[in-house]
Amino acid sequence: AQSVTQLDSHVSVSEGTPVLLRCNYSSSYSPSLFWYVQHPNKGLQLLLKYTSAATLVKGINGFEAEFKKSETSFHLTKPSAHMSDAAEYFCVVSDRTYNTDKLIFGTGTRLQVFP
Amino acid sequence: EAQVTQNPRYLITVTGKKLTVTCSQNMNHEYMSWYRQDPGLGLRQIYYSMNVEVTDKGDVPEGYKVSRKEKRNFPLILESPSPNQTSLYFCASSFGQREQFFGPGTRLTVL
Repeated sequence: AQSVTQLDSHVSVSEGTPVLLRCNYSSSYSPSLFWYVQHPNKGLQLLLKYTSAATLVKGINGFEAEFKKSETSFHLTKPSAHMSDAAEYFCVVSDRTYNTDKLIFGTGTRLQVFP
Repeated sequence: EAQVTQNPRYLITVTGKKLTVTCSQNMNHEYMSWYRQDPGLGLRQIYYSMNVEVTDKGDVPEGYKVSRKEKRNFPLILESPSPNQTSLYFCASSFGQREQFFGPGTRLTVL
């Protein structure tokens, strides 16, 4: 079965410094992986997705993630944090077989950005 | 505008009083799903549907029912709500494993 682990429940950075949100997955085959963002009192929005094409995936708002099969990781990065990046971020892995089609969410990482 | 709508957005009810949370999408998506979000647990899938009349259990289906009689609608039914079902609920839809579009959420409190 697929699973996903977000290694940090909270990350704090200063505005203008790099962001790193870590995610490890387990999968018995080549997975589809996603990062979603949830701003306070809002629904979830897709940041980026990996579906077995390029291993470095670029998303919205300057975020990107690199799929590393050898490390089973899909860490989310951004070179320079902005105050508006403060939100909760979810790493998600797909669990798709012949007769199931499920997304499995990590427990989330809350990103705080200080001025 | 492409969207997923949920109603109601907020609901306070009492134990045992049946309720339905509606979900509707206007994107002709085959796949729809319900999640609950609880602090420290992320989102957990309750039920999903791969197409009309095709539904399956997610990770936490106990105490919930769903139906998919039309492609656009996927209501979540709590026949006898209990306080442990107090949560934030999200409906989502997609074409298979492409981007899931989420509704705005329904905050449910069961007293």
